Amino acid sequence: DTAVSQTPKYLVTQMGNDKSIKCEQNLGHDTMYWYKQDSKKFLKIMFSYNNKELIINETVPNRFSPKSPDKAHLNLHINSLELGDSAVYFCASSQDLGTGNEQYFGPGTRLTVT
Amino acid sequence: GQQVMQIPQYQHVQEGEDFTTYCNSSTTLSNIQWYKQRPGGHPVFLIQLVKSGEVKKQKRLTFQFGEAKKNSSLHITATQTTDVGTYFCAVASGTYKYIFGTGTRLKVLA
Repeated sequence: DTAVSQTPKYLVTQMGNDKSIKCEQNLGHDTMYWYKQDSKKFLKIMFSYNNKELIINETVPNRFSPKSPDKAHLNLHINSLELGDSAVYFCASSQDLGTGNEQYFGPGTRLTVT
Repeated sequence: GQQVMQIPQYQHVQEGEDFTTYCNSSTTLSNIQWYKQRPGGHPVFLIQLVKSGEVKKQKRLTFQFGEAKKNSSLHITATQTTDVGTYFCAVASGTYKYIFGTGTRLKVLA
């Protein structure tokens, strides 16, 4: 069983389109995250949710809107896609809020905007 | 904002050689984690260090937390081709998030 799963694995789309990425974790964790990894492999946190509540909202354009329908799911919707949005997006989860917990990452979604 | 530098950025070694990556923070850290990301894969948790001067070992991997809790190192003894990947440190920033280091990409030549 996959602990943290993401769909789709690959996403190729044109500038200006709107797309969503879905994430699910079956670990029973309370906290979930979205990270962006650019072409230089830098890994930056975008959002975190704890029990469906938004906790961290880094300096991310408001074209990105996360949604957590329940604590096992965290989706990411992106409006008006731009070339600079091309990256690998990782979902992750941890036992609960607060540092000191290891994070479990999903397989990633490679987004290519043309 | 808080910056977490890792050196070196890249390292190529012959199989059997040792490898070390260093993680340096501008601020005192409450704890630090290390992750490994294989090519095409996702980050996988390796270990967490909490105490000043702490040293932990996992088979050929040795992790150390600096005495001042501002830096950490990961040392691999006698590298193998399975060690290939990018190694990240992640430092706690505030109560709720981690900032990942810039990463060290390790290539092992057979």
